[in-house]
Amino acid sequence: KQEVTQIPAALSVPEGENLVLNCSFTDSAIYNLQWFRQDPGKGLTSLLLIQSSQREQTSGRLNASLDKSSGRSTLYIAASQPGDSATYLCAVLFYGGATNKLIFGTGTLLAVQP
Amino acid sequence: NAGVTQTPKFRVLKTGQSMTLLCAQDMNHEYMYWYRQDPGMGLRLIHYSVGEGTTAKGEVPDGYNVSRLKKQNFLLGLESAAPSQTSVYFCASSHRTSQETQYFGPGTRLLVL
Repeated sequence: KQEVTQIPAALSVPEGENLVLNCSFTDSAIYNLQWFRQDPGKGLTSLLLIQSSQREQTSGRLNASLDKSSGRSTLYIAASQPGDSATYLCAVLFYGGATNKLIFGTGTLLAVQP
Repeated sequence: NAGVTQTPKFRVLKTGQSMTLLCAQDMNHEYMYWYRQDPGMGLRLIHYSVGEGTTAKGEVPDGYNVSRLKKQNFLLGLESAAPSQTSVYFCASSHRTSQETQYFGPGTRLLVL
């Protein structure tokens, strides 16, 4: 079964710290992996998309890596700020024959303390 | 550009009632999706559409129907609501393929009593 797991479920850090969020998936036959941000009561915002042929993507203070062979991805946030507080979701697009499947993890709730 | 919008934002239903959730996108996207988000479950795909006039089942389609009569709109219907359908429903769209970034609406919170 194709699954996506995110650890930890919740994380609290002081402002200014660098932090890493983890995502693991069970099947290496993937098209891509995306990291989303979800604020309370809001929809999802795409942060980074890594194609299966890529190793990492960067956007500002965010860096996402992908190791397809080991089924792992990390989202690195540098110099965290209180505005980074949100739930971060990892989603993997698996090959599905006629229908590709986008499977979401359950998210990591991040709180950055001022 | 409004992006992806959803109507209504919140609704309370009694068991057995019916309702329709509306999703609209103004980005000329071909693909549209309906997800539900439940605590501890992540987002799960209910139905999706790869173009006007076409729909297909996702991971959890039972109890729901959909229609895509116009390219910009994707409707999700509950014919006879059940408490198990209490959830937050998200609509999303992507340009041409499922391999591209999906853009999400703000969600509809549904409570079935």
